Parts: sequence; structure tokens; C-alpha cells
Amino acid sequence: EVQVVESGGGLVQPGRSLRLSCAASGFTLDDYVMHWVRQAPGKGLEWVSTINENSASIGYADSVRGRFTISRDNAKNSLYLQMNSLRVEDTALYYCVRGGSSGWYPESWGQGTLITVSS
Amino acid sequence: AIRMTQSPFSLSASTGDRVTITCRASQGISNHLAWYQQKPGRAPKLLIHTASTLQSGVPSRFSGSASGTDFTLTISYLQSEDFATYYCLQYDTYPWTFGQGTKVEVK
Repeated sequence: EVQVVESGGGLVQPGRSLRLSCAASGFTLDDYVMHWVRQAPGKGLEWVSTINENSASIGYADSVRGRFTISRDNAKNSLYLQMNSLRVEDTALYYCVRGGSSGWYPESWGQGTLITVSS
Repeated sequence: AIRMTQSPFSLSASTGDRVTITCRASQGISNHLAWYQQKPGRAPKLLIHTASTLQSGVPSRFSGSASGTDFTLTISYLQSEDFATYYCLQYDTYPWTFGQGTKVEVK
């Protein structure tokens, strides 16, 4: 069974850093593009970042570019999101998502990890 | 950034109704368009990718179509489990962008 499980969420003060992790199981990580998508409380979905299978292609939302860094360790079946200079508006449920079996689209979603940025 | 204008924002419908939701892209995105369903407290679920390809396991009452920069999700015969919020996503050009969402409510 395909599973992605996020961890690392919590309460953090504005300006601080946090690192999210995503553990993949039930599939071979290096066969898939991976994504982070977030959802602020009561709001819609916002794409955050995408990394391709060998980390050669990476994309970021304008709202996080320069502050967030996506990375992956295929040997450890893990995806990461390093979040620096956090802002109140980064408060959201962060989903790790595996890419599609036949394309880059986000396909298999985790349950999310909540980040609350507040003083 | 490519803007995805999704409409309507919400709609009220009854079981058995045919429901149509539209996303318009501000520029060409080829067929790199996906549709998701989200229920309260749950992660989104992929319904359609590549504009019109039904994801494995998704009921055939869901369908997607494209005409230029206009994309449509149709639920042919609404079932009780289909009351949810639906989002489109363009994955053609960074930054990728979601539509604002359409909440399908009970009439």
C-alpha cells in the first residue's frame, strides 16, 4: 500500500525555522516526483513545491521561494521541506504528496502535518 | 503566474443531478490539469488527471473535458458521497496553481 507520512509540525515563532519530513512506503521513492501542498485553516489548497526524481528539477510557489527548500533522500525513502523565516501566513496543514504513476500531477496524499506560526 | 479561475464558488444540488464545474486558465496549459475532491477533515483525492483521464478507482460518473483554456469537471449523476469541495490544479508551468475551489452542497 502506498503511504506517505508527514512529521515535524508544531508551533513555531515568526522568523524561526522548521523542517518537515515525509516518510514514504509501499513504493520506490526514486521512481516518483514528490510535492508539498498546504492548506491554511478554512482556506483552499496551495501548491508549495515540487521536486523531480533526481532533484534536478525543483519548483516553488512565489510565496515561499527563497525561504523554503525542498529536498529528498531516495536512499532513506524520505522527502523534506526546510522552512526558514517563517511567517504567520505560513500557518497551514502541510501535505506530502507522491506524484502520479503516469505524470507529474500530485496523486497520493498524506494526512498532513500542522504548522502554526505564532508569537 | 497562471491564474486558474474556478466557477462557481459554490452550488446546491440534489442527488441524481448533473453537476458541472469549470476552471479557466489565464494562459495555455496544454492538458496539464487535474481535479481533486476534498471532504471536511480529509486529504484531497485525485479524480482526474491530464484533463480527462479518470484516476483508477474513481467512479465513471466523474468526467473531465477541455476546450482551449477552459476545463470542465462533470458529475453525471450526483451521489450522496459526492457532496464535497472540488479543486482544479494546473501543473503545466511553475508556479503551479489551484483554483479557488467549488463547494457542492445539498439542496
